[in-house]
Amino acid sequence: GQQLNQSPQSMFIQEGEDVSMNCTSSSIFNTWLWYKQEPGEGPVLLIALYKAGELTSNGRLTAQFGITRKDSFLNISASIPSDVGIYFCAGQYIQGAQKLVFGQGTRLTINP
Amino acid sequence: GAGVSQTPSNKVTEKGKYVELRCDPISGHTALYWYRQSLGQGPEFLIYFQGTGAADDSGLPNDRFFAVRPEGSVSTLKIQRTERGDSAVYLCASSPSQGTYGELFFGEGSRLTVL
Repeated sequence: GQQLNQSPQSMFIQEGEDVSMNCTSSSIFNTWLWYKQEPGEGPVLLIALYKAGELTSNGRLTAQFGITRKDSFLNISASIPSDVGIYFCAGQYIQGAQKLVFGQGTRLTINP
Repeated sequence: GAGVSQTPSNKVTEKGKYVELRCDPISGHTALYWYRQSLGQGPEFLIYFQGTGAADDSGLPNDRFFAVRPEGSVSTLKIQRTERGDSAVYLCASSPSQGTYGELFFGEGSRLTVL
């Protein structure tokens, strides 16, 4: 089935550093979303993108819907310890369908 | 509570047994989803309900898997003749309407281990 390629798979950074991760697909997506998951919890929505080229911020998080509709990135500025977790991109690629395809995740570890 | 509630949080069973996993969505949410998350992977779509009906069950891996939502609220995912490969975290999510594409509210999941 359709897959999203998410990179990097893991990141080890110092507190205060900026973070960038991205997601690519071989197919055009209508919607891109970024979720964060912490141990023992379900994913929590961070940012949703609905239009090609759209750039959206949520606090220290910024995400963009690529103009080709086949990619998206998420940036986190000035990382803090509570940013630790696994970040998933997800996309909806069939018009009118409700199901999402998720990437494999980027595990973020922060050294204080 | 106000969030999506899933029970049990952990289930250990033997190969060949029958299992039911329950999801109680956020009150008023008409859409309900089941996803499966294997270790180290992202969630994988199983089935989507809009109200009482399964609008899309294309993600169910085979006929051992079945889900119901008889009154348009609580849903049960049923797995027959469990296999070791069914071991995963089963996530339930809900959303308020069809229009909010992808904006899902997930529960904490039910971790299924098949021995």
